[in-house]
Amino acid sequence: DIQMTQSPSSLSASVGDRVTITCRASQSISSSLNWYQQKPGKAPKLLIYAASSLQSGVPSRFSGRGSGTDFTLTISSLQPEDFATYYCQQSYSMLIFTFGPGTKVDIK
Amino acid sequence: EVQLLESGGGFVQPGGSLRLSCAASGFTFSTYAMSWVRQAPGKGLEWVSSITGSGGSTYYGDSVKGRFTISRDNSKNTLYLQMNSLRADDTAVYYCAKCPAKQQLGTNYYYYYMDVWGKGTTVTVSS
Repeated sequence: DIQMTQSPSSLSASVGDRVTITCRASQSISSSLNWYQQKPGKAPKLLIYAASSLQSGVPSRFSGRGSGTDFTLTISSLQPEDFATYYCQQSYSMLIFTFGPGTKVDIK
Repeated sequence: EVQLLESGGGFVQPGGSLRLSCAASGFTFSTYAMSWVRQAPGKGLEWVSSITGSGGSTYYGDSVKGRFTISRDNSKNTLYLQMNSLRADDTAVYYCAKCPAKQQLGTNYYYYYMDVWGKGTTVTVSS
């Protein structure tokens, strides 16, 4: 089974900061990596799919990079509405998914 | 507008059964794979199960294999999750999600992702 790790598990940042979250797969997953944002009490929201494709309607301050085992999600200038928990998800084996443990971004 | 609406959650004793439904609207349901994802209280997201658009292939997470069954009725635009032999650790909010795919250029490989989610339905397993 493919395992996913994320770092850091949490971070504190200020509005306007550049924030980078890292996700690592236990084996190569090509570009089969998606990123989601979740706010308390709400369903997750897709941000990035296939490692670097921005989902329609998602602000361009969100970007994704990587392939193989190492991936990053970057928020270029953190906005108040971006304080949330972020999850990576691998989909290398078609419709078999694994989520990372999540990274909570809160206000410094 | 694309929408997913889960129902069927509730309170059940250990060993009991429950069937969740997810009503889809605003898209051609039969052409998309669908998935169930759950989130235990205070925990992260856990993939539960997926099914292809035709319903011909199904996939399960290790923690629910042999106990849960995913199915769909494309004539009713509805996804189901039959949950048997429920345990306390199945307590969670259950979300359904629509799973489109992006084709990798020059190959027959597809990247799957979850682009639309329902609001979730809560399942509580307790004696």
